[in-house]
Order: sequence, then C-alpha cells, then structure tokens
Amino acid sequence: DADVTQTPRNRITKTGKRIMLECSQTKGHDRMYWYRQDPGLGLRLIYYSFDVKDINKGEISDGYSVSRQAQAKFSLSLESAIPNQTALYFCATSERGLFREQYFGPGTRLTVT
Amino acid sequence: DQQVKQNSPSLSVQEGRISILNCDYTNSMFDYFLWYKKYPAEGPTFLISISSIKDKNEDGRFTVFLNKSAKHLSLHIVPSQPGDSAVYFCAASDSGNTPLVFGKGTRLSVIA
Repeated sequence: DADVTQTPRNRITKTGKRIMLECSQTKGHDRMYWYRQDPGLGLRLIYYSFDVKDINKGEISDGYSVSRQAQAKFSLSLESAIPNQTALYFCATSERGLFREQYFGPGTRLTVT
Repeated sequence: DQQVKQNSPSLSVQEGRISILNCDYTNSMFDYFLWYKKYPAEGPTFLISISSIKDKNEDGRFTVFLNKSAKHLSLHIVPSQPGDSAVYFCAASDSGNTPLVFGKGTRLSVIA
C-alpha cells in the first residue's frame, strides 16, 4: 500500500464550486505539505503544517485553505474554484528535524471549467 | 524572485552517455539540496541529496556535486539509461527545517 495517498486522483469541476482534496499518510510523519505543479513552473508550495496545531501559508496560498484533521490527514480546499487553479496537486510528508527529504503522493489532477 | 533555478527546460542524451543536469540557487542560507525525479502520472520521488558540508555525494549511477562559492549544483547520471527519462527537480532548504524550494525542472530524455 502507498505511504501517501491522495483522493480523488482526477477531478473536473466548474467555476465557483467548492472542492476538497484529501491527503492521508501512513508514514507517521509530523510534517505535511501541499504543492501545485503547472507546466514550466515547477512545484510551488501552497500550505504546510509542521504538526496538527501548526499551519503555515506557502508561496501561493491565495484562494486555498487547509485543514489538518489529524497527524495523518491534511486536506486542501478551494473555496470557489477558478480556471487558473487547474493544475496537478501534490501532497507531501516529512519527518521532523533537519535534513529530511519529503515524500510525495501520486497527485490529483484538477480541472476547473 | 526565483531562488532555485534550473535554466535548461530539457536535455536529450544518448543511452550509455553521461547526463548532467544543472541547478543554481541565490539564497546563501540554503544548506541542504536534493534532487527529485518525476515520471508522468506519478509524484516526485527522492533521488539523492547533499548537505553544504560536502561537495560531492554519490549513489550508484547518480552523483551530485555542490559548488558553494558559485551557488551551483549538478546531478551526473552515468551511464544514462532509457528508464532515466523523466523530469528532474532540484530543491533546496535552509537547515532542512523549512519546506523545500523547488526549481522548475529539467526534462531528461535518454535515447536508445
């Protein structure tokens, strides 16, 4: 079984709709992250959480919100989806401490029409 | 301002030859660097890392070189194999205690 899972894997939604992307991990890591990938723009950080009570904005948090329901779960919400939020979204986790690599989920392809 | 730069969007190499992927950074506080590999329809996977106390780290066919004075690192793959064809992301962090900052990626194509 995958250590970091994302649901749904693909989603098409309409402008203005609220949508939630979910991430679960079995790695036991404290830290979780949400990134989006756009062609030619690499991976950009949306939000991150170093533990259940710690939520931080990343580079491109406008239009997004997150919820850390438990150590293992980190959800990303688009309150009112717009077409330029069409992208690949990745959840990642890492252990606490220095020099720790991040482990990524398989991604969610979101299309906003 | 882009803190981690991968100036080559794509690279094509023949099977068996060396692939060299480059990455530059601007933040002098960065002291931990990683390379990730990404296949289509999959999440990025960790490949190799290096901390600023080293100038080289090797793992099988993969070697990362760090030149701190030039704020430059490179990933060498030798010999290159068709299965190495993927997008490679360079990433950096300061003391490893902040989220990674990623470059835009380089698409490597290894031609048989």
